[in-house]
Amino acid sequence: AQSVTQPDIHITVSEGASLELRCNYSYGATPYLFWYVQSPGQGLQLLLKYFSGDTLVQGIKGFEAEFKRSQSSFNLRKPSVHWSDAAEYFCAVGARSGTGRRALTFGSGTRLQVQP
Amino acid sequence: KAGVTQTPRYLIKTRGQQVTLSCSPISGHRSVSWYQQTPGQGLQFLFEYFSETQRNKGNFPGRFSGRQFSNSRSEMNVSTLELGDSALYLCASSPLGVPLGTEAFFGQGTRLTVV
Repeated sequence: AQSVTQPDIHITVSEGASLELRCNYSYGATPYLFWYVQSPGQGLQLLLKYFSGDTLVQGIKGFEAEFKRSQSSFNLRKPSVHWSDAAEYFCAVGARSGTGRRALTFGSGTRLQVQP
Repeated sequence: KAGVTQTPRYLIKTRGQQVTLSCSPISGHRSVSWYQQTPGQGLQFLFEYFSETQRNKGNFPGRFSGRQFSNSRSEMNVSTLELGDSALYLCASSPLGVPLGTEAFFGQGTRLTVV
């Protein structure tokens, strides 16, 4: 079964600083990978996705992520964080379930706090 | 284009009762998935419906059920509520079902509190 690990529960960065959120996955084949963001009391918004091809993917709000097969990682990055980026970030893998269909498996999330 | 709409946004129920949550997907989307989000367990997949058929189910007891109507709207039902069912229930819609080359769009969720 697939799994996703986000080793950092909570990260604090200063506004304007760079950001990297870590994500490691476990899956027996090439996965479909996603990053979602959730503001308090809200649903999930897709930041970016990786299906195939170029391993560096660009998303919304200036985020990017790099798929590294050798490290089973899909880390999220942003060169300069804005106060509005404070939220919880979830990495997810899409893979086949036991029925042969696909479902999303989420990591436990990383809460980002931005200091002024 | 309207997003995914979940109703109600908040619910308070008593242990032993049952509850029905509703999800209206984005127009044209045929797949609706449900997820439960709790502080302890995180985001967990409940089930997915596509063209009125449940085609994927997570590891939840039979008290959790759902259905999808011909207009793709979906409902999920939880019977005999337990305190541990308190959670944010999120619905996601996609044209074909994640991740078949598409992405899932999430609603704002229904916050269920069981007392």
